[in-house]
Amino acid sequence: RKEVEQDPGPFNVPEGATVAFNCTYSNSASQSFFWYRQDCRKEPKLLMSVYSSGNEDGRFTAQLNRASQYISLLIRDSKLSDSATYLCVVVLSGNTPLVFGKGTRLSVIA
Amino acid sequence: DAGITQSPRHKVTETGTPVTLRCHQTENHRYMYWYRQDPGHGLRLIHYSYGVKDTDKGEVSDGYSVSRSKTEDFLLTLESATSSQTSVYFCAISDGRTGNTEAFFGQGTRLTVV
Repeated sequence: RKEVEQDPGPFNVPEGATVAFNCTYSNSASQSFFWYRQDCRKEPKLLMSVYSSGNEDGRFTAQLNRASQYISLLIRDSKLSDSATYLCVVVLSGNTPLVFGKGTRLSVIA
Repeated sequence: DAGITQSPRHKVTETGTPVTLRCHQTENHRYMYWYRQDPGHGLRLIHYSYGVKDTDKGEVSDGYSVSRSKTEDFLLTLESATSSQTSVYFCAISDGRTGNTEAFFGQGTRLTVV
């Protein structure tokens, strides 16, 4: 089983739609969780951290379910500029490298 | 943006030649990483460093070596380049302290081995 697994995608959605991405991780001892965004031919950049209580940043909501080892990202009112690949990232501890999912590609269509 | 630069940004090399990629940071972060990104595989860790002269292997380390002689530089060497090492290489840095594990990435190096 892969350490971090994501929805395969691609997701093609119209502007204004709500879209959700899911991610599962295999190591129950994992401590930190993130969503990164990567634009075409660019480097990944942090979108948001994921906290146990769930967290929201504008149109983006991230949730963590430790019991099910499951992370989600919800994007409301999708914009054309949201088109990118979204990477689920898990860290076992502060001293271990980030482990990436393969990413889910989102295309928002006018 | 975090101060992290990779060089070269693009390189074409021949099979069997050695290649060295450089990652330079100005953030004084303890941790530095080399990842490669390929279609269908996502980002995979090659090697990482947790301090000067302290390095460890990642999941795809065969055919690669690294060195970190000072905090700001992390070198990745392909000892004898093969076509399977054609990829986009990303360097990343992180502070690594508990609760602060955000990683910042360089712009990537696109390597083609012919």
